[in-house]
Amino acid sequence: DAKTTQPTSMDCAEGRAANLPCNHSTISGNEYVYWYRQIHSQGPQYIIHGLKNNETNEMASLIITEDRKSSTLILPHATLRDTAVYYCIAKPNAGGTSYGKLTFGQGTILTVHP
Amino acid sequence: DVKVTQSSRYLVKRTGEKVFLECVQDMDHENMFWYRQDPGLGLRLIYFSYDVKMKEKGDIPEGYSVSREKKERFSLILESASTNQTSMYLCASTEDTGELFFGEGSRLTVL
Repeated sequence: DAKTTQPTSMDCAEGRAANLPCNHSTISGNEYVYWYRQIHSQGPQYIIHGLKNNETNEMASLIITEDRKSSTLILPHATLRDTAVYYCIAKPNAGGTSYGKLTFGQGTILTVHP
Repeated sequence: DVKVTQSSRYLVKRTGEKVFLECVQDMDHENMFWYRQDPGLGLRLIYFSYDVKMKEKGDIPEGYSVSREKKERFSLILESASTNQTSMYLCASTEDTGELFFGEGSRLTVL
């Protein structure tokens, strides 16, 4: 899996967009970008994933640069409940049990302030 | 709402005790996983299963075993708990979508 680099921490005001960057400059053509988050003392939660097109779901948007070397997770209207550690992962979509072979780095601690 | 349920949020056991951690998913997923999560070490895969009665070792299987007698249930067993197995244990399941569903976690303390 390609190495990913994220800022250690970020702050965001409640109601504003939170933009979380991730660098994955060595990503290969078959590797997807996945985002998970983990709220304190809870299990991780899947947010979104994508290959090269931008993706959006009910939780967030994922913007991947054209060269695929970096991406940004956007939480459009951050709330206090979005305070969590956010993990960016690059890995192939080889199906089945390969999805479970995750490596979480240190992630970004996002703190949403009132 | 899809759900992965872990039997205990917090457990305290003594060295040498046998420990069972249960995980049940209600999504009919083929694939289930057990991890442990420790500060500074991230998430580490212990065992996984792709079908009933099928299991494979992950990255750190020593000291652990698993059981999958029914599709929805995947159990992690510590045959003889040791203090270095004090950790947060996480169960997850997935189908072929790339989305892992995690349980809330079981925080085990071995004294």
